Amino acid sequence: QSALTQPRSVSGSPGQSVTISCTGTSSDVGGYNYVSWYQQHPGKAPKLMIYDVSKRPSGVPDRFSGSKSGNTASLTISGLQAEDEADYYCCSYAGSYVVFGGGTKLTVL
Amino acid sequence: QVQLVQSGAEVKKPGASVKVSCKASGYTFTGYYMHWVRQAPGQGLEWMGWINPNSGGTNYAQKFQGWVTMTRDTSISTAYMELSRLRSDDTAVYYCARDPDGQGWFDPWGQGTLVTVSS
Repeated sequence: QSALTQPRSVSGSPGQSVTISCTGTSSDVGGYNYVSWYQQHPGKAPKLMIYDVSKRPSGVPDRFSGSKSGNTASLTISGLQAEDEADYYCCSYAGSYVVFGGGTKLTVL
Repeated sequence: QVQLVQSGAEVKKPGASVKVSCKASGYTFTGYYMHWVRQAPGQGLEWMGWINPNSGGTNYAQKFQGWVTMTRDTSISTAYMELSRLRSDDTAVYYCARDPDGQGWFDPWGQGTLVTVSS
């Protein structure tokens, strides 16, 4: 039950696109289409942004998109805005357990 | 609207136990698994386990087996997480989170409960 691997930090300027990767194994990310992504602002609870690899809950802007290839999932944020600056966590269902990534801090320059 | 409201902050001594509550509203409590996730200061999210509010069945992360107990009271739509034998590195914010379809994604989350373990 090792944590998924995410880059510690990414950055981009307003209007640009950034992609955050999330690498696991065939037992979690690669074995199920149940990857989710969460946004967390300081002092706040996490907020669901993507589920089932690429589905967006109502209310989440379509600037946020998810994908998966093999054991690596990705979250892409296009048209970066200042309010997108936050920590982002990936999460994968793995049958009998759930595992999170270590988190990525997104800085909007 | 669907809402999870957790109990307030706790300060505990090492070796003690803590029980955090999570009251659900706006949906059928017994229809959705409830998970618990913790976050140590400045650290990432750590999955602790889930409870099936309908059956009371539980599934704990390997790390927490024998150490955490998740229960529920369906009469008041409330889930509980009890952690025993607390150590200083159990200091964290503890979140409950609903699993909409049993596939390990969470929406919504409770507001979090800070548990501080200090002598």
